[in-house]
Amino acid sequence: DTEVTQTPKHLVMGMTNKKSLKCEQHMGHRAMYWYKQKAKKPPELMFVYSYEKLSINESVPSRFSPECPNSSLLNLHLHALQPEDSALYLCASSQPTVLEQFFGPGTRLTVL
Amino acid sequence: GESVGLHLPTLSVQEGDNSIINCAYSNSASDYFIWYKQESGKGPQFIIDIRSNMDKRQGQRVTVLLNKTVKHLSLQIAATQPGDSAVYFCAENGKDTGRRALTFGSGTRLQVQP
Repeated sequence: DTEVTQTPKHLVMGMTNKKSLKCEQHMGHRAMYWYKQKAKKPPELMFVYSYEKLSINESVPSRFSPECPNSSLLNLHLHALQPEDSALYLCASSQPTVLEQFFGPGTRLTVL
Repeated sequence: GESVGLHLPTLSVQEGDNSIINCAYSNSASDYFIWYKQESGKGPQFIIDIRSNMDKRQGQRVTVLLNKTVKHLSLQIAATQPGDSAVYFCAENGKDTGRRALTFGSGTRLQVQP
């Protein structure tokens, strides 16, 4: 299996909702990433997990809470988001010693 | 601050022509560069990478050139096809930041005219 899967594909939520984005890979990669991508912009790094431990947090607001329950799964818990948080959320994975990252298709998030 | 940027936001070419997408980087400590292709509604897809100890690397229909003197990276696509239409991002590793993370450039949209 050489792909990264993300669910859901699309998500619409209100500012008071709590939701979670899920990411899964079965390539044996031990580094996983969350990126945020606004329209017509490059991906912006949010979080990096290496060997299931958070190694980079790019000063992301606490309304975004990442979780890495095991080496194959990465979650992003969302709570009290703002409309400006609407974006494509991309998950990626790699071997920790290799910079080539494999991206999932993303979750298109709309916050109303 | 350090950044990775692209010269042209949109490039339009005729089908069958060769395409050249350029990227300037400013972090002289970067030693790894990668090109991604992103089609509408999809995640970035790896195209080709290159390390700083190389000047050129070829793949299938693609070539990446690295000029460390002027800190310039280019992606050449031979015999461009309609399926090549996408946004192309270069990224670099910012080695001296101490982080194992990629910094993406702003992207170039390639439009292939039939």
